[in-house]
Amino acid sequence: SQQGEEDPQALSIQEGENATMNCSYKTSINNLQWYRQNSGRGLVHLILIRSNEREKHSGRLRVTLDTSKKSSSLLITASRAADTASYFCATVVAGKSTFGDGTTLTVKP
Amino acid sequence: EAQVTQNPRYLITVTGKKLTVTCSQNMNHEYMSWYRQDPGLGLRQIYYSMNVEVTDKGDVPEGYKVSRKEKRNFPLILESPSPNQTSLYFCASSPAGIGEQYFGPGTRLTVT
Repeated sequence: SQQGEEDPQALSIQEGENATMNCSYKTSINNLQWYRQNSGRGLVHLILIRSNEREKHSGRLRVTLDTSKKSSSLLITASRAADTASYFCATVVAGKSTFGDGTTLTVKP
Repeated sequence: EAQVTQNPRYLITVTGKKLTVTCSQNMNHEYMSWYRQDPGLGLRQIYYSMNVEVTDKGDVPEGYKVSRKEKRNFPLILESPSPNQTSLYFCASSPAGIGEQYFGPGTRLTVT
Protein backbone atom coordinates (compact mmCIF):
# COMPACT_ATOMS: atom_id res chain seq x y z
CA SER A 1 0.00 0.00 0.00
CA GLN A 2 1.09 3.57 -0.55
CA GLN A 3 3.00 5.05 2.34
CA GLY A 4 2.04 8.58 1.44
CA GLU A 5 -1.56 9.58 1.34
CA GLU A 6 -2.61 13.04 0.42
CA ASP A 7 -5.63 15.16 0.82
CA PRO A 8 -7.47 16.74 -0.64
CA GLN A 9 -7.41 14.78 -3.89
CA ALA A 10 -8.42 17.92 -5.75
CA LEU A 11 -8.36 21.59 -4.89
CA SER A 12 -9.68 24.51 -6.90
CA ILE A 13 -8.91 28.10 -5.88
CA GLN A 14 -8.74 31.60 -7.31
CA GLU A 15 -5.48 33.26 -8.24
CA GLY A 16 -4.00 35.03 -5.25
CA GLU A 17 -5.42 32.62 -2.69
CA ASN A 18 -3.34 30.20 -0.67
CA ALA A 19 -3.40 26.46 -1.29
CA THR A 20 -2.74 23.87 1.40
CA MET A 21 -2.32 20.17 0.82
CA ASN A 22 -1.55 17.47 3.33
CA CYS A 23 0.36 14.22 3.32
CA SER A 24 0.48 11.35 5.78
CA TYR A 25 2.99 8.53 5.90
CA LYS A 26 3.36 5.33 7.86
CA THR A 27 6.99 4.56 8.72
CA SER A 28 10.03 6.37 10.10
CA ILE A 29 11.70 8.63 7.57
CA ASN A 30 14.96 10.49 6.99
CA ASN A 31 13.22 13.19 5.04
CA LEU A 32 10.06 13.95 3.13
CA GLN A 33 9.95 15.52 -0.28
CA TRP A 34 7.36 17.35 -2.33
CA TYR A 35 7.16 17.19 -6.10
CA ARG A 36 5.12 18.89 -8.77
CA GLN A 37 3.87 17.36 -12.01
CA ASN A 38 2.38 19.20 -14.93
CA SER A 39 -0.04 17.06 -16.88
CA GLY A 40 1.68 13.92 -18.17
CA ARG A 41 5.18 15.27 -17.64
CA GLY A 42 8.03 14.23 -15.38
CA LEU A 43 7.93 15.17 -11.73
CA VAL A 44 9.95 18.15 -10.58
CA HIS A 45 11.39 18.34 -7.09
CA LEU A 46 10.14 21.29 -5.06
CA ILE A 47 11.42 21.00 -1.52
CA LEU A 48 12.89 18.52 0.95
CA ILE A 49 12.38 18.64 4.69
CA ARG A 50 14.51 16.53 7.01
CA SER A 51 13.07 14.56 9.88
CA ASN A 52 14.66 16.91 12.44
CA GLU A 53 13.12 19.99 10.83
CA ARG A 54 9.63 21.26 11.58
CA GLU A 55 9.24 23.91 8.93
CA LYS A 56 10.98 24.96 5.76
CA HIS A 57 10.44 27.78 3.29
CA SER A 58 11.34 28.17 -0.35
CA GLY A 59 9.95 31.20 -2.14
CA ARG A 60 6.15 30.92 -2.00
CA LEU A 61 6.32 27.41 -0.61
CA ARG A 62 6.11 26.50 3.05
CA VAL A 63 6.40 22.92 4.21
CA THR A 64 5.78 21.63 7.70
CA LEU A 65 6.58 18.23 9.14
CA ASP A 66 5.10 16.63 12.23
CA THR A 67 6.91 13.35 12.84
CA SER A 68 4.75 12.54 15.88
CA LYS A 69 1.67 12.55 13.64
CA LYS A 70 3.57 11.28 10.60
CA SER A 71 2.21 14.10 8.51
CA SER A 72 3.37 16.99 6.38
CA SER A 73 1.72 19.93 4.71
CA LEU A 74 2.60 22.04 1.70
CA LEU A 75 1.37 25.62 1.56
CA ILE A 76 1.57 27.62 -1.64
CA THR A 77 0.98 31.29 -0.97
CA ALA A 78 -0.38 33.86 -3.40
CA SER A 79 -1.10 31.18 -5.99
CA ARG A 80 -0.86 31.81 -9.71
CA ALA A 81 -2.51 30.15 -12.68
CA ALA A 82 0.90 28.65 -13.49
CA ASP A 83 0.76 26.72 -10.19
CA THR A 84 -1.95 24.51 -11.70
CA ALA A 85 -0.47 21.01 -11.46
CA SER A 86 -0.50 17.85 -9.38
CA TYR A 87 1.54 17.81 -6.19
CA PHE A 88 2.98 14.69 -4.59
CA CYS A 89 4.74 13.93 -1.36
CA ALA A 90 7.39 11.22 -1.31
CA THR A 91 9.51 9.33 1.14
CA VAL A 92 12.55 7.15 0.52
CA VAL A 93 13.53 4.49 3.01
CA ALA A 94 16.52 2.25 2.23
CA GLY A 95 16.12 2.99 -1.47
CA LYS A 96 12.41 2.23 -1.61
CA SER A 97 10.47 5.27 -2.77
CA THR A 98 6.83 5.79 -1.94
CA PHE A 99 4.78 8.55 -3.47
CA GLY A 100 1.42 9.79 -2.33
CA ASP A 101 -1.57 9.70 -4.63
CA GLY A 102 -1.26 13.41 -5.19
CA THR A 103 -3.36 16.54 -4.95
CA THR A 104 -4.54 18.12 -8.19
CA LEU A 105 -4.50 21.88 -7.82
CA THR A 106 -6.38 24.14 -10.20
CA VAL A 107 -5.78 27.86 -9.91
CA LYS A 108 -8.34 29.94 -11.77
CA PRO A 109 -7.24 33.26 -13.22
CA GLU B 1 22.64 20.25 -19.28
CA ALA B 2 21.97 17.91 -16.37
CA GLN B 3 19.17 15.58 -17.35
CA VAL B 4 17.56 12.17 -17.37
CA THR B 5 16.61 10.93 -20.80
CA GLN B 6 14.23 8.13 -21.73
CA ASN B 7 13.62 6.45 -25.05
CA PRO B 8 11.27 5.94 -26.66
CA ARG B 9 8.84 8.59 -25.45
CA TYR B 10 5.86 6.77 -26.95
CA LEU B 11 5.50 3.11 -27.83
CA ILE B 12 2.61 1.00 -29.03
CA THR B 13 3.32 -2.70 -29.11
CA VAL B 14 1.59 -6.06 -29.06
CA THR B 15 1.29 -8.63 -26.32
CA GLY B 16 4.37 -10.80 -25.95
CA LYS B 17 6.80 -8.75 -28.02
CA LYS B 18 9.87 -8.05 -25.91
CA LEU B 19 10.79 -4.40 -25.50
CA THR B 20 13.34 -2.25 -23.73
CA VAL B 21 12.92 1.29 -22.49
CA THR B 22 16.24 3.01 -22.04
CA CYS B 23 17.11 5.49 -19.30
CA SER B 24 20.29 7.51 -19.08
CA GLN B 25 21.51 10.22 -16.71
CA ASN B 26 24.51 12.51 -17.06
CA MET B 27 24.81 13.60 -13.43
CA ASN B 28 26.95 10.72 -12.14
CA HIS B 29 24.15 9.74 -9.76
CA GLU B 30 24.46 6.49 -7.87
CA TYR B 31 20.73 5.88 -7.44
CA MET B 32 18.31 5.20 -10.26
CA SER B 33 14.72 4.04 -10.21
CA TRP B 34 11.78 3.12 -12.43
CA TYR B 35 8.16 4.02 -11.75
CA ARG B 36 4.86 3.48 -13.41
CA GLN B 37 2.01 5.93 -13.12
CA ASP B 38 -1.58 4.86 -13.55
CA PRO B 39 -4.77 6.86 -13.02
CA GLY B 40 -6.09 6.36 -9.52
CA LEU B 41 -3.01 4.38 -8.43
CA GLY B 42 -0.43 7.12 -8.30
CA LEU B 43 3.27 6.58 -8.86
CA ARG B 44 4.53 3.11 -7.97
CA GLN B 45 8.13 1.99 -7.86
CA ILE B 46 9.07 -0.95 -10.09
CA TYR B 47 12.80 -1.43 -9.47
CA TYR B 48 15.62 0.66 -8.12
CA SER B 49 19.40 0.55 -8.11
CA MET B 50 21.65 1.96 -5.43
CA ASN B 51 24.77 1.54 -7.58
CA VAL B 52 26.30 -0.40 -10.47
CA GLU B 53 25.36 -4.09 -10.38
CA VAL B 54 23.02 -3.51 -7.41
CA THR B 55 19.29 -3.68 -8.12
CA ASP B 56 16.26 -4.28 -5.90
CA LYS B 57 12.55 -4.76 -6.31
CA GLY B 58 10.13 -1.97 -5.67
CA ASP B 59 6.43 -2.39 -5.07
CA VAL B 60 5.41 -3.71 -8.49
CA PRO B 61 8.34 -5.66 -10.06
CA GLU B 62 6.35 -8.50 -11.65
CA GLY B 63 6.77 -8.66 -15.41
CA TYR B 64 9.80 -6.37 -15.49
CA LYS B 65 13.56 -6.75 -15.50
CA VAL B 66 16.34 -4.24 -15.08
CA SER B 67 20.11 -4.15 -15.25
CA ARG B 68 22.72 -1.67 -14.10
CA LYS B 69 25.97 -2.41 -15.91
CA GLU B 70 27.06 1.20 -16.09
CA LYS B 71 26.41 4.05 -13.72
CA ARG B 72 24.63 6.22 -16.27
CA ASN B 73 22.22 3.66 -17.75
CA PHE B 74 19.31 1.77 -16.23
CA PRO B 75 17.18 0.06 -18.91
CA LEU B 76 13.75 -1.38 -18.17
CA ILE B 77 12.99 -4.63 -19.95
CA LEU B 78 9.57 -6.13 -20.55
CA GLU B 79 10.24 -9.68 -21.72
CA SER B 80 6.61 -10.49 -22.56
CA PRO B 81 4.47 -7.37 -22.27
CA SER B 82 0.81 -7.70 -21.42
CA PRO B 83 -2.04 -5.17 -21.68
CA ASN B 84 -1.94 -4.54 -17.91
CA GLN B 85 1.51 -3.03 -18.42
CA THR B 86 0.00 -0.22 -20.43
CA SER B 87 1.08 2.79 -18.42
CA LEU B 88 3.18 5.93 -18.19
CA TYR B 89 6.72 5.04 -17.12
CA PHE B 90 9.23 7.34 -15.46
CA CYS B 91 12.91 6.89 -14.80
CA ALA B 92 14.56 8.93 -12.05
CA SER B 93 18.00 9.37 -10.58
CA SER B 94 19.36 10.76 -7.33
CA PRO B 95 22.85 11.43 -5.98
CA ALA B 96 22.52 9.01 -3.07
CA GLY B 97 19.02 7.64 -3.00
CA ILE B 98 17.68 9.50 0.01
CA GLY B 99 17.36 12.97 -1.43
CA GLU B 100 15.69 14.63 -4.32
CA GLN B 101 15.12 12.66 -7.47
CA TYR B 102 15.45 13.95 -11.01
CA PHE B 103 12.84 12.57 -13.35
CA GLY B 104 12.93 11.80 -17.03
CA PRO B 105 10.15 13.02 -19.34
CA GLY B 106 8.26 9.73 -19.30
CA THR B 107 7.49 6.91 -21.73
CA ARG B 108 3.90 6.26 -22.62
CA LEU B 109 3.53 2.56 -23.36
CA THR B 110 0.46 0.92 -24.85
CA VAL B 111 0.30 -2.87 -25.09
CA THR B 112 -2.51 -4.21 -27.28
